[in-house]
Amino acid sequence: SQQGEEDPQALSIQEGENATMNCSYKTSINNLQWYRQNSGRGLVHLILIRSNEREKHSGRLRVTLDTSKKSSSLLITASRAADTASYFCATVPYGGATNKLIFGTGTLLAVQP
Amino acid sequence: DGGITQSPKYLFRKEGQNVTLSCEQNLNHDAMYWYRQDPGQGLRLIYYSQIVNDFQKGDIAEGYSVSREKKESFPLTVTSAQKNPTAFYLCATSSWAVTEAFFGQGTRLTVV
Repeated sequence: SQQGEEDPQALSIQEGENATMNCSYKTSINNLQWYRQNSGRGLVHLILIRSNEREKHSGRLRVTLDTSKKSSSLLITASRAADTASYFCATVPYGGATNKLIFGTGTLLAVQP
Repeated sequence: DGGITQSPKYLFRKEGQNVTLSCEQNLNHDAMYWYRQDPGQGLRLIYYSQIVNDFQKGDIAEGYSVSREKKESFPLTVTSAQKNPTAFYLCATSSWAVTEAFFGQGTRLTVV
């Protein structure tokens, strides 16, 4: 399986704290994306980072990418109760005749009010 | 109203039956995907397609079949060969470059 792994599997924090989740993947990539899933719903795209980028920001989100370690991290600053959800990284493998999107195992974030 | 429509939202299947899950999109995206999600788990790729009349197996294609006769539609059939079909199924679309995927609301399949 090409599926990546995320760490931690679950994270519980208080409102206002920062949340950091990590993603490791197995193959060289074109890009890496982070998604959010509310319980029982479809996923929503948060941010994309390309293989030649090391850091990217979007609002309260900060993503880093280390291609030498095949890993990425997502930081959510000043968390809110509404940030409670599962977060997944997804990679587009480099090369090959077709592009596909491979998801990690996810981190369940609970933000306590 | 643009987007991806999955139907039905809930589906019950008797053992030994084939069932087909519908996925329709009006985003004019080339690529379409089917994923399976088990409770507390990540998404596993079943099949994907980048152009009409062409599709590729993902990591867990056994017991599933797909077709891509139209750009807008990518139905998934769960066959009786799939031994453990109870799961949440998600359809997604993207441009060929796969810079962002858009998801339907999912179909929850239960074997009874």
